[in-house]
Amino acid sequence: EADIYQTPRYLVIGTGKKITLECSQTMGHDKMYWYQQDPGMELHLIHYSYGVNSTEKGDLSSESTVSRIRTEHFPLTLESARPSHTSQYLCASSESKGPAQPQHFGDGTRLSIL
Amino acid sequence: GIQVEQSPPDLILQEGANSTLRCNFSDSVNNLQWFHQNPWGQLINLFYIPSGTKQNGRLSATTVATERYSLLYISSSQTTDSGVYFCALTTSGTYKYIFGTGTRLKVLA
Repeated sequence: EADIYQTPRYLVIGTGKKITLECSQTMGHDKMYWYQQDPGMELHLIHYSYGVNSTEKGDLSSESTVSRIRTEHFPLTLESARPSHTSQYLCASSESKGPAQPQHFGDGTRLSIL
Repeated sequence: GIQVEQSPPDLILQEGANSTLRCNFSDSVNNLQWFHQNPWGQLINLFYIPSGTKQNGRLSATTVATERYSLLYISSSQTTDSGVYFCALTTSGTYKYIFGTGTRLKVLA
């Protein structure tokens, strides 16, 4: 199974705090993705990256930002958390080479903003 | 953009029953996956299946790309099969996966 790690697994924090959600993968995948998901609902792509120093916004508008300084690391930052940011955030990566490019997911971060 | 529809949206089964979940899409696809999201929110990769048929234990999947649908079969369902099942796919020229709205399955003991 793929090795992709997210920390923290759960986070409860007050309004106005700066938050960084960590995502790392050890497979050397070029492509990485962040999704936002409300409980039991579909996943929405909020950010993606095709390689180092490459980041793009996804289909769902988000106040978060991302960076990709190293291939294996794709952190997501909220400068000032609000209750509307309460959600689950899922990180994924996929292979770049060849026709088969399945996505592999981390376990997710459940974020609650009080 | 491509439309991805899953049916049924909700399904309740008695333990031991069989079921078929469907994913319809509106354009040709390059990549297609089926995932199971467990009650703890973890997404488990079930199948990578842009075409053809695959089987893994009690689960199997078939994608008929020319007719733009994929099916996930669950046989002899167990309570641990409960959760949400998603199909996700990419179309030609993009690596961005689009997710369906999911099928919420509850298996009763």
